[in-house]
Amino acid sequence: EDQVTQSPEALRLQEGESSSLNCSYTVSGLRGLFWYRQDPGKGPEFLFTLYSAGEEKEKERLKATLTKKESFLHITAPKPEDSATYLCAVLLLSDYKLSFGAGTTVTVRA
Amino acid sequence: DAGVIQSPRHEVTEMGQEVTLRCKLISGHNSLFWYRQTMMRGLELLIYFNNNVPIDDSGMPEDRFSAKMPNASFSTLKIQPSEPRDSAVYFCASSKGPGTGIPYEQYFGPGTRLTVT
Repeated sequence: EDQVTQSPEALRLQEGESSSLNCSYTVSGLRGLFWYRQDPGKGPEFLFTLYSAGEEKEKERLKATLTKKESFLHITAPKPEDSATYLCAVLLLSDYKLSFGAGTTVTVRA
Repeated sequence: DAGVIQSPRHEVTEMGQEVTLRCKLISGHNSLFWYRQTMMRGLELLIYFNNNVPIDDSGMPEDRFSAKMPNASFSTLKIQPSEPRDSAVYFCASSKGPGTGIPYEQYFGPGTRLTVT
């Protein structure tokens, strides 16, 4: 069965302490992998789409990378405003539905 | 540009009552997705429309749930009768496509927090 697993479930960081979030997937035929950010009480906000292994995308302090089995979201020198839940989702070649992971909740302390 | 608009933002109702959630798509988008989010189950797709036509409603929990797209820019999700286990945050998302080749991004609305007592 296709699955998307995110780890860790929660991550507490000191401001400026860089770290990485993991999204591993076991799917047959990946069309794209998506990263979203969700703040409390709000809808998921689109961050990145990655299409193929080896691809990288950056936005401010965030960098997303993709391999054949997993994706990483690197947070460099995080600030308190980076605190949020980060969701990854996969889209299969044969489908239109996003399959979401459970998310990683990041808390950055000043 | 305005994003996806949902109303109401919060809804509190009693068990057995009818609930209608509303969603306005982003202009130019032709795909609409209704999701439900709970702590236990995360984000679950309920139903997907493309060009106003329901393509996949396999995620709709039961016959108490129904969704419509009366026009290209607007959708409703109705629960009748509502039950306490329906309490969740309901999101709609819109996108362009589905096209072939490049996958498309879904843009989410702010959600409706439903509480059924």
